[in-house]
Amino acid sequence: AQSVSQHNHHVILSEAASLELGCNYSYGGTVNLFWYVQYPGQHLQLLLKYFSGDPLVKGIKGFEAEFIKSKFSFNLRKPSVQWSDTAEYFCAVKRAGSYQLTFGKGTKLSVIP
Amino acid sequence: NAGVTQTPKFQVLKTGQSMTLQCAQDMNHNSMYWYRQDPGMGLRLIYYSASEGTTDKGEVPNGYNVSRLNKREFSLRLESAAPSQTSVYFCASSETQRNEKLFFGSGTQLSVL
Repeated sequence: AQSVSQHNHHVILSEAASLELGCNYSYGGTVNLFWYVQYPGQHLQLLLKYFSGDPLVKGIKGFEAEFIKSKFSFNLRKPSVQWSDTAEYFCAVKRAGSYQLTFGKGTKLSVIP
Repeated sequence: NAGVTQTPKFQVLKTGQSMTLQCAQDMNHNSMYWYRQDPGMGLRLIYYSASEGTTDKGEVPNGYNVSRLNKREFSLRLESAAPSQTSVYFCASSETQRNEKLFFGSGTQLSVL
């Protein structure tokens, strides 16, 4: 079965700091990759996704992620975080052609003004 | 646009009681899903329905049943609630079989005493 690992449980940053959240997955075949975000008190929403093509994908609110196939990684980055980025971030992986999306355990990001 | 609507938002049950969580989407999506979210565990798929008339088990189906009532509605039933089922439950839907983007409901916080 595929699994998704998110390296950091809780990350605390000051505003304007750069962000990188790690995500690794275990499945060796073709995968589709996602980052979802859950703002406090809200439901999950899609930040960005990778299906094919350019391994560097850009999402909403200045976030980007890079798919590195050789490292089975899909790390999320943002050059300069804002207080409003405080949220929990979930990496998710789906085998191509499958319905099942496997989520990581999440990384909680706290941005200090 | 309502999107994905879940009811109820909060529920407290006693061990052994039964209840049904309701979910409806108004986006004409084919696929619908039930997830549970537990602290430090991320989201885990309980059941999904790839299309109207079909349902399949996800990662953690034990203790649950589902019904895809029609294209819009997908309910989750706990026949005999247990404290281990205390969780936040999210319904989600996606437009196509490729599951490119999940749209989530606002969640049901369930406590089983």
